[in-house]
Amino acid sequence: GAGVSQSPRYKVTKRGQDVALRCDPISGHVSLYWYRQALGQGPEFLTYFNYEAQQDKSGLPNDRFSAERPEGSISTLTIQRTEQRDSAMYRCASSLDSSSNEQFFGPGTRLTVL
Amino acid sequence: RKEVEQDPGPFNVPEGATVAFNCTYSNSASQSFFWYRQDCRKEPKLLMSVYSSGNEDGRFTAQLNRASQYISLLIRDSKLSDSATYLCVVPWGDKIIFGKGTRLHILP
Repeated sequence: GAGVSQSPRYKVTKRGQDVALRCDPISGHVSLYWYRQALGQGPEFLTYFNYEAQQDKSGLPNDRFSAERPEGSISTLTIQRTEQRDSAMYRCASSLDSSSNEQFFGPGTRLTVL
Repeated sequence: RKEVEQDPGPFNVPEGATVAFNCTYSNSASQSFFWYRQDCRKEPKLLMSVYSSGNEDGRFTAQLNRASQYISLLIRDSKLSDSATYLCVVPWGDKIIFGKGTRLHILP
């Protein structure tokens, strides 16, 4: 079956612009996670959802970052007024539920802020 | 102590050798632990869970030492295809904390 998909795969934007990154989890997966991964580092937790409810957003770096999952399926991570330091790989993962051992990751969106 | 710490490596190991690396964690309340594998430019994938009694899957063995708060991963008879970054994962309340990863290079 289809895995986790993310779009766009690559996004180049100018400083100050807003960007929206999309994640389409595996069908039926309750939990959805957003991570940011810098080169040579492990994924850094940003936030996660169970169904449409955002459970924890303490990992979001500042109030320019927000995420939603309005119908409990597709999720969007939005970064407003992008800055160069926001450049990174943004990864989404889903799992059957929050107690599940295994998270399935998408291919990521590589964001470059010029 | 940082939440999750790993030796970044790289570990350069000849094919067929045994290699082991550890991951230390600071939250003594953590109950579950995992090893993920990440190939270059790819997404992380679950390698194995780490149980209190240890966990073995073929050439891979994961151990948990609660007293010293570390988990370990041992790879026997290493293959060229084992070359990757190995990420230690520790759930922390509602958050999931990944280590920075240990890079492993298997040399022919």
